[in-house]
Amino acid sequence: DQQVKQNSPSLSVQEGRISILNCDYTNSMFDYFLWYKKYPAEGPTFLISISSIKDKNEDGRFTVFLNKSAKHLSLHIVPSQPGDSAVYFCAASALDDYKLSFGAGTTVTVRA
Amino acid sequence: DSGVTQTPKHLITATGQRVTLRCSPRSGDLSVYWYQQSLDQGLQFLIQYYNGEERAKGNILERFSAQQFPDLHSELNLSSLELGDSALYFCASSELSGRAETQYFGPGTRLLVL
Repeated sequence: DQQVKQNSPSLSVQEGRISILNCDYTNSMFDYFLWYKKYPAEGPTFLISISSIKDKNEDGRFTVFLNKSAKHLSLHIVPSQPGDSAVYFCAASALDDYKLSFGAGTTVTVRA
Repeated sequence: DSGVTQTPKHLITATGQRVTLRCSPRSGDLSVYWYQQSLDQGLQFLIQYYNGEERAKGNILERFSAQQFPDLHSELNLSSLELGDSALYFCASSELSGRAETQYFGPGTRLLVL
């Protein structure tokens, strides 16, 4: 049962524009959310996280928004750069759990 | 570089064999997690160790086992290997027990079972 869903398998964006990645979840016990970036042949790299007590967290070009009532979060990357081309995973952990549950990932391609 | 190291990077073996994957967590991290990423699948949690003790178990097959040693490095043992065990195996670590903590991932071990 996929509790974290990334419904867009791919996203293409022009360099300098905004990339918006979406993630939906079904488990109401999730209280901590993370985004990871993954290049081929490498492990996932932590980007940014957000606790359920917040609705926004910003770190440089990356901003994560959390809408608890809709069970939805999004990652905004602005401006997008060629080095941002990678697979992005949304992940979540629950109040009563230690593991991370991952979405299937969204492949971002930044066009010059 | 996350500070988490995994060896070997690649492993090719035959069905029925047994392999051991090794992970060294970031300095100071007490928790180690193992995840499996099969073709076209997201990362699936296998097992967590915290300070030498098993803390949580996920979708780990009975043919698989893990342990965490006093120096906090961890090993994942895969036995009676089947073709379907071919996957990327990632180790991650976190500072404490894992609740609302960021996990930092190693580069992974790519296992190919022929």
